Amino acid sequence: AQRVTQPEKLLSVFKGAPVELKCNYSYSGSPELFWYVQYSRQRLQLLLRHISRESIKGFTADLNKGETSFHLKKPFAQEEDSAMYYCALSGRGAQKLVFGQGTRLTINP
Amino acid sequence: GAVVSQHPSRVICKSGTSVKIECRSLDFQATTMFWYRQFPKQSLMLMATSNEGSKATYEQGVEKDKFLINHASLTLSTLTVTSAHPEDSSFYICSAARTGFSGDQETQYFGPGTRLLVL
Repeated sequence: AQRVTQPEKLLSVFKGAPVELKCNYSYSGSPELFWYVQYSRQRLQLLLRHISRESIKGFTADLNKGETSFHLKKPFAQEEDSAMYYCALSGRGAQKLVFGQGTRLTINP
Repeated sequence: GAVVSQHPSRVICKSGTSVKIECRSLDFQATTMFWYRQFPKQSLMLMATSNEGSKATYEQGVEKDKFLINHASLTLSTLTVTSAHPEDSSFYICSAARTGFSGDQETQYFGPGTRLLVL
């Protein structure tokens, strides 16, 4: 069964501190992993996807198949990073997304 | 580009009535759209996959006769909640799948959501 686990519902860090939002997944085939972000009063939007191997807004995420993880990291948090972050998974070529429970990130000044 | 709209943004209806929610891709064509449901402080749960010109594919546990989906064009999918009950009150979100310019990566673009309250 496909499953995405985000163990932290809430995460609070100070501005300038490193951030890591954890995501673990369960999938029998070759997954595609995504991070979506939802800023206050805005719609859900794609932040990054593992196959792109890119850094968006200073965030990176590496797919670790051995640990079945796709943690989101940023070395220096900014106040505008405060948002709800969702990790999501789909099968290769498939379109259905399975979302984790989400982590609310708060960056304190 | 890649904007998805939903209408209405919020709706209140009486128990037993039906409510239609529209999802439109404004600047691209979407063969596939998705409908999600989100309860307060919970994640998005996929309800169904809407395919243009064919029947929707429903997730396990979702009643297809209660949540009617129509995807009549490449830019419009509708979700009708029939004979609504208070337990149907929720936040309904749609997304539309768009293929990248190189024809490979497909990305889902999300609508702003519709909040339904059934009295």
